[in-house]
Amino acid sequence: SQQGEEDPQALSIQEGENATMNCSYKTSINNLQWYRQNSGRGLVHLILIRSNEREKHSGRLRVTLDTSKKSSSLLITASRAADTASYFCATDIKLTFGQGTILTVHP
Amino acid sequence: DTGVSQDPRHKITKRGQNVTFRCDPISEHNRLYWYRQTLGQGPEFLTYFQNEAQLEKSRLLSDRFSAERPKGSFSTLEIQRTEQGDSAMYLCASSLLRGTYNEQFFGPGTRLTVL
Repeated sequence: SQQGEEDPQALSIQEGENATMNCSYKTSINNLQWYRQNSGRGLVHLILIRSNEREKHSGRLRVTLDTSKKSSSLLITASRAADTASYFCATDIKLTFGQGTILTVHP
Repeated sequence: DTGVSQDPRHKITKRGQNVTFRCDPISEHNRLYWYRQTLGQGPEFLTYFQNEAQLEKSRLLSDRFSAERPKGSFSTLEIQRTEQGDSAMYLCASSLLRGTYNEQFFGPGTRLTVL
């Protein structure tokens, strides 16, 4: 069974807009990671947030973690066409992924 | 290029044949992972190694699947008597485990097609 579940399944926005994706998980975690996958390619690590952190930033990315709700969100600000990809959250050592959010950014 | 590499990138085989994939992790990484990904789904964990020891295997890994990491460096994943349902992208990742910090770096994957 999958630990992380991303929401929405698909998101379509215009370049320059912000994109927010959510992730829910089922069991206690040590950390949560977000990955990006371009069509047909391997995954690229974006950011890791530990269970004792509530928010983390990296460039245009902002991740929040609410362990009481077992949820996380990924915000991409000022989106670009190059951000078009699938985004996955995954938890802990043997990463358990959800189905991902497919983000399409229109130029 | 010091990233994770996988070979081959694509493999087409007939049902019933055996296939073997190779993964070369980032050199100083002590952990190596195998995942399988089908179209429209997130990757599913198959197995992982710490150095040469195989620490966990998923129930997805039937007895037709075997993975090795003989010297704690590269790893191979063999599928015997392939079935059409084995068609998927097989991803390898490596990490340097430090406490609970476990950023995994993924290779480009091997896409398997079983005819």
